[in-house]
Amino acid sequence: GAVVSQHPSWVICKSGTSVKIECRSLDFQATTMFWYRQFPKQSLMLMATSNEGSKATYEQGVEKDKFLINHASLTLSTLTVTSAHPEDSSFYICSATRQGSNTGELFFGEGSRLTVL
Amino acid sequence: LAKTTQPISMDSYEGQEVNITCSHNNIATNDYITWYQQFPSQGPRFIIQGYKTKVTNEVASLFIPADRKSSTLSLPRVSLSDTAVYYCLVGGFSGNTPLVFGKGTRLSVIA
Repeated sequence: GAVVSQHPSWVICKSGTSVKIECRSLDFQATTMFWYRQFPKQSLMLMATSNEGSKATYEQGVEKDKFLINHASLTLSTLTVTSAHPEDSSFYICSATRQGSNTGELFFGEGSRLTVL
Repeated sequence: LAKTTQPISMDSYEGQEVNITCSHNNIATNDYITWYQQFPSQGPRFIIQGYKTKVTNEVASLFIPADRKSSTLSLPRVSLSDTAVYYCLVGGFSGNTPLVFGKGTRLSVIA
């Protein structure tokens, strides 16, 4: 099956620092990768869509200068939370669609829990 | 993108069959219906996907009526480990990949 891996699975950082989360498709090429965030007891909220080699498309209300997304290859996308603050503490999840898929099936990473002190 | 509506929560005893229905009145012709399961602090996991009629795999069945405006996920003989949140999404071809998660259905299985 298609495997998506995120790293790190959890991270604690001080307020004001930047944190990078990696999302890799291990056994397939991902045309598109999506980044979500999820607060406790809530559903996943789409933050941005990234396509390899182009700029990410951010959802309304998501600051692109705060949440930097880079999709340099068909197997790797990164999310950098810049100048993190406690309100950025959340569960961040990436997903990917397989190149050539027409069903829209999403393959999800394990998620990364960010805690900003 | 088609919006989905599901019950917020459901309870079931172990060993029973559970049916979770999702409404998606605005589903497009090219859209597929996909169900995901999510445990706490984990990413969602694919359960089943279908376009029309009935699909069955080793863990669930998916029933889709002819008008495709709804779908029902059927979990046979649930166990405590099936306690999770279940999401249905619609989307698919031509870049209309399912992006938006609804609130999902929180299933609690009781011994």
